[in-house]
Amino acid sequence: DGGITQSPKYLFRKEGQNVTLSCEQNLNHDAMYWYRQDPGQGLRLIYYSQIVNDFQKGDIAEGYSVSREKKESFPLTVTSAQKNPTAFYLCASSILWTNTGELFFGEGSRLTVL
Amino acid sequence: QQQVKQSPQSLIVQKGGIPIINCAYENTAFDYFPWYQQFPGKGPALLIAIRPDVSEKKEGRFTISFNKSAKQFSLHIMDSQPGDSATYFCAAAPGNTPLVFGKGTRLSVIA
Repeated sequence: DGGITQSPKYLFRKEGQNVTLSCEQNLNHDAMYWYRQDPGQGLRLIYYSQIVNDFQKGDIAEGYSVSREKKESFPLTVTSAQKNPTAFYLCASSILWTNTGELFFGEGSRLTVL
Repeated sequence: QQQVKQSPQSLIVQKGGIPIINCAYENTAFDYFPWYQQFPGKGPALLIAIRPDVSEKKEGRFTISFNKSAKQFSLHIMDSQPGDSATYFCAAAPGNTPLVFGKGTRLSVIA
């Protein structure tokens, strides 16, 4: 079945460590996104990518990095520079820009910093 | 101007009631207004969407009402069921840029 796969589902990290969250899609979508979800804060955009080897910062990119080496993959690295990384992270994709169609989400990765 | 303001933050209704969730925006460049539904531990999924050339759109028990002059749109859920208990997000897209989401409304439908 087509969809978006995020891994791991749960992740624990010690302070000062970098961690990479995986996101893979088999929908043949051009655009991919990373959102962060905190209680009462909605979904905030971290990074997005329209095309391979290109990506743009969203509203809260500080302390995060991404790569887009393949159309299917858009991993997110949470670096030690991110001051409050404990959150639920959601990856999404769409055919092109979201105002032309549906945004498809993965099931999320919950990161906890110990 | 990029914000979408959503209210209420939480809502409790009896089964069969009609919960209403409201959103307001400032940016007149927004031209696409979807609603997403999220169950606990899952990613959001598109529920229904509207464009500003219509004032209402209905899909099953879900209706979006859109007021372009007031820059407001709302979601109504007719004959609500316990299975509708979820978090609902409104969103808007300002042209060729990513969706801007509201902060979400946690809906509980009690039997």
